[in-house]
Amino acid sequence: DAGVTQSPTHLIKTRGQHVTLRCSPISGHKSVSWYQQVLGQGPQFIFQYYEKEERGRGNFPDRFSARQFPNYSSELNVNALLLGDSALYLCASSLDTETYYGYTFGSGTRLTVV
Amino acid sequence: GDSVTQMEGPVTLSEEAFLTINCTYTATGYPSLFWYVQYPGEGLQLLLKATKADDKGSNKGFEATYRKETTSFHLEKGSVQVSDSAVYFCALNRGGATNKLIFGTGTLLAVQP
Repeated sequence: DAGVTQSPTHLIKTRGQHVTLRCSPISGHKSVSWYQQVLGQGPQFIFQYYEKEERGRGNFPDRFSARQFPNYSSELNVNALLLGDSALYLCASSLDTETYYGYTFGSGTRLTVV
Repeated sequence: GDSVTQMEGPVTLSEEAFLTINCTYTATGYPSLFWYVQYPGEGLQLLLKATKADDKGSNKGFEATYRKETTSFHLEKGSVQVSDSAVYFCALNRGGATNKLIFGTGTLLAVQP
């Protein structure tokens, strides 16, 4: 079985630009979450989606948005990029939203804003 | 609010040494607790988990016990290998309306041959 796949793996953007990151969950997983990991820190929660509905949003500005498609894949969009948005963006999938399910993470998209 | 505190790194050990990485948490209710490992240039891998008090999670020689009385979930391994060198993250998930993982800052483990 394929794991959680994210694309692209690396990305360089200029301040003010827009970026779209993509995630395909493990087959059968209906929940997708996005996390931002700044260098040297633990991941911070951005969004969770379940069955195409937003279930949770972290403390991020409205420049960040996401959606989940009928096949459970997901996109994270960031508008008006700032230098501080440079980070590793991780997607995690889970069977359900129950806490006892561990989340499986993808390898991430490394975004560099210059 | 909910939070996770991990011991500062880096932790440097010789091969076959005993490992302890401390983790304490603050949360209302009964969160599930996790340890994730991140190898250089990679995403996070679930190492082990515990969903209720006194549960012991274990995997690949690593163990952690959910201690509600001390709000702790310390990671231990009896004999580390060079291949265990990575960053280890303790995390909790309290569930509820916003079902999210809350991570500690991570502890870098470096094992020397």
